Amino acid sequence: GAVVSQHPSWVICKSGTSVKIECRSLDFQATTMFWYRQFPKQSLMLMATSNEGSKATYEQGVEKDKFLINHASLTLSTLTVTSAHPEDSSFYICSARGPGDEDEQYFGPGTRLTVT
Amino acid sequence: QKEVEQDPGPLSVPEGAIVSLNCTYSNSAFQYFMWYRQYSRKGPELLMYTYSSGNKEDGRFTAQVDKSSKYISLFIRDSQPSDSATYLCAMSGGAQKLVFGQGTRLTINP
Repeated sequence: GAVVSQHPSWVICKSGTSVKIECRSLDFQATTMFWYRQFPKQSLMLMATSNEGSKATYEQGVEKDKFLINHASLTLSTLTVTSAHPEDSSFYICSARGPGDEDEQYFGPGTRLTVT
Repeated sequence: QKEVEQDPGPLSVPEGAIVSLNCTYSNSAFQYFMWYRQYSRKGPELLMYTYSSGNKEDGRFTAQVDKSSKYISLFIRDSQPSDSATYLCAMSGGAQKLVFGQGTRLTINP
């Protein structure tokens, strides 16, 4: 149980275009999802916390107008990278808070974004 | 000082060895402690989850939490080449957000 999927797993886009990444909890409902960014050989950096039916909470230094998050249902959150630039190239990973009352998070497989 | 400190390694051991991975932390409010395993270009996989102090065992893996010392450990017995990955400790104080260590790169040599 507690499976999280992401789509796409890999995307290449041109500078200036927008890219949408989907995160789904497959076998449980997730009122809270998280979006992380990870650079090579580094740990995960939390970008934002996404709560179903409300606005996302962004971490300091993360541009909310650039990284649009929508958590429209209990099983789906989306991250849209708008007007992407090469410096946005990274590994983006979502997670969902587990179905219990505790704080474990289950991660998706990640999406590798390359902006050319 | 970082909230969570983890030796990034790399750590290389022979197959069958016992591996010890550790993290220290400074925030006494942390109550939930997790260990994740991450293979290259994959999302982290939850290995162990512990609430408060104590030990937890799952197969070849044992997690220990010592809140008085602000120190957590993950032990891997009879290590296998398939255990080669980056291991991340993570913890939270119940406010949902996880704080991660840097990750330790582990290689098990056949």
